[in-house]
Amino acid sequence: DAMVIQNPRYQVTQFGKPVTLSCSQTLNHNVMYWYQQKSSQAPKLLFHYYDKDFNNEADTPDNFQSRRPNTSFCFLDIRSPGLGDAAMYLCATSRPGTAKETQYFGPGTRLLVL
Amino acid sequence: AQTVTQSQPEMSVQEAETVTLSCTYDTSESDYYLFWYKQPPSRQMILVIRQEAYKQQNATENRFSVNFQKAAKSFSLKISDSQLGDAAMYFCAYSNTGNQFYFGTGTSLTVIP
Repeated sequence: DAMVIQNPRYQVTQFGKPVTLSCSQTLNHNVMYWYQQKSSQAPKLLFHYYDKDFNNEADTPDNFQSRRPNTSFCFLDIRSPGLGDAAMYLCATSRPGTAKETQYFGPGTRLLVL
Repeated sequence: AQTVTQSQPEMSVQEAETVTLSCTYDTSESDYYLFWYKQPPSRQMILVIRQEAYKQQNATENRFSVNFQKAAKSFSLKISDSQLGDAAMYFCAYSNTGNQFYFGTGTSLTVIP
């Protein structure tokens, strides 16, 4: 089945140690999103790619970077994780002009910072 | 800027009863989309129902329906015949045609057996 896949599902890192989260999709959607979701809060958009065009939200910390080497994959790099970066990170995809602009979400990666 | 407001942080419903979750939004655009997403505890966020702003007819998906009031900028979700599996956090979301998504703060729904 076509889907959005996130690896790993759980990630433990140390304070200040760089970490990379990955997302892949088999939907062939041209837009991919990264969200940060803290406990009992709404997802907060960090950035999104429209094809290769990168769009950063104004309040996304510089500590967060993203790469999209091809249509199927997108990575979230946290250069120096702090305790406040512990959260669930959600990847989503969409294909504007189809499926009523719906976003399809992956299962998320829960990041723990020690 | 677009905002989405869910004024009910928590709701509860008796199994088999009906519950309505509220959502209001603010926009100056005429063409947009509205969604309700469900996020069970520790599980994936999934789409429940969606509505195109240009459609006057309210969307329905089995036991889920919406009451879309465009002039009032209101988009409520009605769950009929509530089931235990409906217990989750429900997020209302707005999307314009510019790939921007805006989520409300969520409503935690408890279903009482």
